Amino acid sequence: ETGVTQTPRHLVMGMTNKKSLKCEQHLGHNAMYWYKQSAKKPLELMFVYNFKEQTENNSVPSRFSPECPNSSHLFLHLHTLQPEDSALYLCASSVGTDNYEQYFGPGTRLTVT
Amino acid sequence: QKEVEQNSGPLSVPEGAIASLNCTYSDRGSQSFFWYRQYSGKSPELIMFIYSNGDKEDGRFTAQLNKASQYVSLLIRDSQPSDSATYLCAVSGGYQKVTFGIGTKLQVIP
Repeated sequence: ETGVTQTPRHLVMGMTNKKSLKCEQHLGHNAMYWYKQSAKKPLELMFVYNFKEQTENNSVPSRFSPECPNSSHLFLHLHTLQPEDSALYLCASSVGTDNYEQYFGPGTRLTVT
Repeated sequence: QKEVEQNSGPLSVPEGAIASLNCTYSDRGSQSFFWYRQYSGKSPELIMFIYSNGDKEDGRFTAQLNKASQYVSLLIRDSQPSDSATYLCAVSGGYQKVTFGIGTKLQVIP
């Protein structure tokens, strides 16, 4: 595997379900990010981890819970989501968090029913 | 509120023409500037980055930065139908904060 991978690629879940999104980067980077992309809106930064420490929580509702066990893996745990949470969730990584280029995974298309 | 502004388009250009994509930003302290290409249903792919005023060329792509006027542009020469995508402008002002524009949809007409 190369680059940034994400699983699953597609997810349909009910509002009472609990699911997790997984991201793995094979680039030797130290920083990882979760973004939300909705139609006709700019990418929204959700969380930032630098050396597996959370350094940014961009006012994200608590129904989204990130976990970063090491610099290569990032999870987003989901519970009691709302239909408006349906979106493309993108993971990215970069060398560090200061002005570095970010590389994105393929994303998870989430539909909340 | 730091903002990155792009015209959402679509911008239509004939095959072989030059496509010019523009982006303005509000934070004068911005230091790094990126262009991502996003095909429909895919994730953003980094295609160019520029840190200094002036032009930076990579193949058919040229990024232009003017910090005094707070704009950055992307020129695509000899546009091909495969260049049809949404182009996202991203601006970084320093520590871990990258702000993305909404993206400009480019359509290259054969």
